[in-house]
Amino acid sequence: AQSVTQPDIHITVSEGASLELRCNYSYGATPYLFWYVQSPGQGLQLLLKYFSGDTLVQGIKGFEAEFKRSQSSFNLRKPSVHWSDAAEYFCAGVSGGYNKLIFGAGTRLAVHP
Amino acid sequence: SAVISQKPSRDICQRGTSLTIQCQVDSQVTMMFWYRQQPGQSLTLIATANQGSEATYESGFVIDKFPISRPNLTFSTLTVSNLSPEDSSIYLCSFEGTGDDYEQYFGPGTRLTVT
Repeated sequence: AQSVTQPDIHITVSEGASLELRCNYSYGATPYLFWYVQSPGQGLQLLLKYFSGDTLVQGIKGFEAEFKRSQSSFNLRKPSVHWSDAAEYFCAGVSGGYNKLIFGAGTRLAVHP
Repeated sequence: SAVISQKPSRDICQRGTSLTIQCQVDSQVTMMFWYRQQPGQSLTLIATANQGSEATYESGFVIDKFPISRPNLTFSTLTVSNLSPEDSSIYLCSFEGTGDDYEQYFGPGTRLTVT
């Protein structure tokens, strides 16, 4: 069955530290992959997406993600975290030709000053 | 990109009543979606709403409980019927962009509390 897994429920980092949020997918074919961020009381905002081409994709707010087919992963990274990055992060995927977006469980990021 | 809005942003309802949530997009879109986000949980797709046809419901969601309307290409409503405390959630609508990458754009959500 198609699935998206985020192994880390909570992550705490210090402001200025680097960040990596993990995402693994299980699809028969290479899926279209997305990272969304949800700030408290807000809807979802798209950070970045991958569907073909360069496996390192750049997004908004200084985020990037790398698609690794061999590891079935699409991890989100940021070199230096800001306090405003504290939020819930969702990885999601959809298989081509079937537009149901499947979300991971989410990772809640806390940022210490 | 198109702007999507939802009304109400939040509501407190008594059990047994119903709440209708409106979703408005400022341009015509083909596919709209309704999601439920239970407290502390991820998003679960309730149904896909296409204009001019019945909504397609996901497993575990039924039309009697979650009737959906899609009268035109910019608007949809979701009604949560016969409310119980277990329906307390955030409900989000989204639409699919016009590109070929299945990107979805989300509304701000409606936070429902059932007492």
